[in-house]
Amino acid sequence: QSVLTQPPSVSAAPGQKVTISCSGSSSNIGSNFVSWYQQLPGTAPKLLIYDDDQRPSGIPDRFSGSKSGTSATLGVTGLQTGDEAAYYCGTWDSSLSAGVFGGGTKVTVL
Amino acid sequence: QLQLQESGPGLVKPSETLSLTCSVSGGSIRGSTYYWAWIRQSPGKGLEWIGNIYYSGSTYYNPSLKSRVTISVDTSKHQFALKFTSVTAADTAVYYCARQKYGWGSGRYYLSFDPWGQGTLVTVSS
Repeated sequence: QSVLTQPPSVSAAPGQKVTISCSGSSSNIGSNFVSWYQQLPGTAPKLLIYDDDQRPSGIPDRFSGSKSGTSATLGVTGLQTGDEAAYYCGTWDSSLSAGVFGGGTKVTVL
Repeated sequence: QLQLQESGPGLVKPSETLSLTCSVSGGSIRGSTYYWAWIRQSPGKGLEWIGNIYYSGSTYYNPSLKSRVTISVDTSKHQFALKFTSVTAADTAVYYCARQKYGWGSGRYYLSFDPWGQGTLVTVSS
């Protein structure tokens, strides 16, 4: 099983907001920066958020990241059909001495 | 812009060695800020970080896979490679290469991957 825990799926109507949680521990999320990735069907993951809340150039501000304690959250506002994808969180785990990911959350636009 | 492309056999027999190459274009593999990583995704499952290499050749592997993994770099060819020994059906996955940003700052480790290659499916079967 994945080191980081994400809900398997979330859904919302177009134009609404979804939030995706990523739960970890003091050795990973609690002490290191978190990144988020979007994986559209049949494609490679794409970086959405790095260092907890920073967006790479070209990523719209509809996507946001936050963190509190040992949990991180990805928010997507103004949901579009093109946002239907799997979303993964990732970070460094200082106890495992390895990069770790969540199991992924499938976003469905109703 | 930087692009990465994986290549290698799509079918490997059990107990044999999986070998993949990642070709880097549109930028230098010698960038001092970045590492070069391999990540895999088993069918219908999540992502697993395999390890990384710096252009100087220094490597770091996921401890859970370390005994079977070797990552190497050829800067003259702008490539880095993955070798995975003694494979089993459990190693069937899409293998991605990616540029890895990793370091220590503000009292914490930072780690992110961007960009990624398109991925290559490797099936382990006789």
